Amino acid sequence: GAGVSQSPRYKVAKRGQDVALRCDPISGHVSLFWYQQALGQGPEFLTYFQNEAQLDKSGLPSDRFFAERPEGSVSTLKIQRTQQEDSAVYLCASLDGHNEQFFGPGTRLTVL
Amino acid sequence: QKEVEQNSGPLSVPEGAIASLNCTYSDRGSQSFFWYRQYSGKSPELIMSIYSNGDKEDGRFTAQLNKASQYVSLLIRDSQPSDSATYLCAVDSGNTPLVFGKGTRLSVIA
Repeated sequence: GAGVSQSPRYKVAKRGQDVALRCDPISGHVSLFWYQQALGQGPEFLTYFQNEAQLDKSGLPSDRFFAERPEGSVSTLKIQRTQQEDSAVYLCASLDGHNEQFFGPGTRLTVL
Repeated sequence: QKEVEQNSGPLSVPEGAIASLNCTYSDRGSQSFFWYRQYSGKSPELIMSIYSNGDKEDGRFTAQLNKASQYVSLLIRDSQPSDSATYLCAVDSGNTPLVFGKGTRLSVIA
């Protein structure tokens, strides 16, 4: 079946612009996670949904970051007033019934 | 602060040798352990999961878990150049997000 998809794959933003990153999880997967991966680092947790409920947003680095999953399927991660330090790869993962997370291809965000 | 530690490498092994990748974690309550492979410019790909002490084998890969020592390892037998990638260790304490190490870069020399 289809895996996790993310769009756009690449995004270049000028500092101060708002961006929206989309994640389509594997069909039927209830739980969805967002991670941020800086160059040379492992992924770091941002936020987590179970269906439409955002159960943990402790990893969001500032109030400029906002995520939603209104219908319990597609999720959007929004970053307002982007800064250079937001440049990273944003990864989405969905969780199967065996407690295993499968990642999408990621969105590489570059803030100029 | 839950931490997962890995040697960043690079770890270089000749083709056909055994590659041994190691990981330690700080949260004694951790329940699930995963190894992901990440090629340059790609996203992490799950290759092994292990939940109980001992060894788990899948093809050329063997994961080893020792909860008393808070240690998990990945062995790759008959290493191939296509195994050259960064290997990420990830730990789950149950109902929490994965905590990743920084990854170990493996280079298999033909």
